[in-house]
This record gives sequence, C-alpha cells and structure tokens, in this order.
Amino acid sequence: GESVGLHLPTLSVQEGDNSIINCAYSNSASDYFIWYKQESGKGPQFIIDIRSNMDKRQGQRVTVLLNKTVKHLSLQIAATQPGDSAVYFCAENYGAGSYQLTFGKGTKLSVIP
Amino acid sequence: NAGVMQNPRHLVRRRGQEARLRCSPMKGHSHVYWYRQLPEEGLKFMVYLQKENIIDESGMPKERFSAEFPKEGPSILRIQQVVRGDSAAYFCASSPSGQGAEGYTFGSGTRLTVV
Repeated sequence: GESVGLHLPTLSVQEGDNSIINCAYSNSASDYFIWYKQESGKGPQFIIDIRSNMDKRQGQRVTVLLNKTVKHLSLQIAATQPGDSAVYFCAENYGAGSYQLTFGKGTKLSVIP
Repeated sequence: NAGVMQNPRHLVRRRGQEARLRCSPMKGHSHVYWYRQLPEEGLKFMVYLQKENIIDESGMPKERFSAEFPKEGPSILRIQQVVRGDSAAYFCASSPSGQGAEGYTFGSGTRLTVV
C-alpha cells in the first residue's frame, strides 16, 4: 500500500487566507521530503523540500513542517492566491543514495476569489 | 535551459497498438526516471535509466512495457499492445545524480489515452 498519504483530499480557502495541507508518511527511514504543485495538464513543480534533520523550513510564502514523532508533514501557504490553485503532493525519499520518490495521492487546493 | 522535454503531449492509441513516449532530460542531467500517474492518483515510479543502461525497472509491468536511453537521443518508454488500463499520464524526470532525489526535475508529461 501507499506509504505516503494525505488527510484531506480537497481544500477550499478564501483568497488571502493561509492554507495548510497535511501529509502522513509511514516509513521512518525516509530522510528527505518534497512538496510538489501540479497544475492541470502540467508536470509536478518543486515547491520546497526538507531533510529529516530539520523540523521546519521556510521559502517564499511557503513553510514546510516535519514532525518525525508522528510521521507527519505539512505545507503552509501564506496569503493564498488564485494562482495557488492546484493539486499538491508530498513525496518521500528513502535514505541516502535512493533515487525513488514515493508520492501521496494529492490534495486539491481551490482558492475562492 | 529548456528543462525536461517530453513528447508528444497527448497520444491516442487504439487497443493493440504501440505507444512510444519520448523524454529528453535537462542539459547536464544523465539520470532519467519514468513515473506513471493514474487519474486522481499520485505518481508511481516505473524505471530509472542512465545512458545505455537500465538501473532499476522494478516499477515496470513485466509485460508489454520497455524503456531505453540510448547513447544518442531521448529516452523512450514503449508500450506494446496497449490496453485501456494503460491510459494515464506518463512523466519523465531527470537529475544530475542518481544519489538521492535532490535536483529532480519533471517534464510536462505525455497523456496517453487508449480507445
């Protein structure tokens, strides 16, 4: 079965509000995590990543939080904009030297203008 | 810097035909990965190739599917005798190194429809 999963398949937020997308993973050996954004008809686009030796990483308007105790990952998007509407995937990578990514099923984010 | 180029973007095949999907990695990347995405699903790993070598094909169906990455030219994912269940989006990614997933860049995918 899937080792990476998401709590919420869909999320609707008002423009300007903050969005939080959650992801659970089951493989404690995973040491690298990536959030991807996928717009309709396009390939996954890298948003932000985090290694297991960190619990928080910030980018431009995005923050990823990693809780290894409960094997949980979240993506926070500040001041959500209509252009943020997409499907968001978390992906995990097992251990140094591993090239495979394991993806969750995705959360669809809809931004209400 | 053109990124990962995949073609065609859309491909329609009748059951029993062959499908050929092409992927040119980013400049400077010699590691290519193919993933398949079924409707409303996440991507699933199929195969990892370097030039002239298949490194890991553990995610490839045992029959009808093959992949290559020749010395010259793009990587090719070939599906023989397609069936409706092969309808999916096929994504190629490339990276500068096969060590870890940093630097992974995905193409825009080929959407295969089998009718």
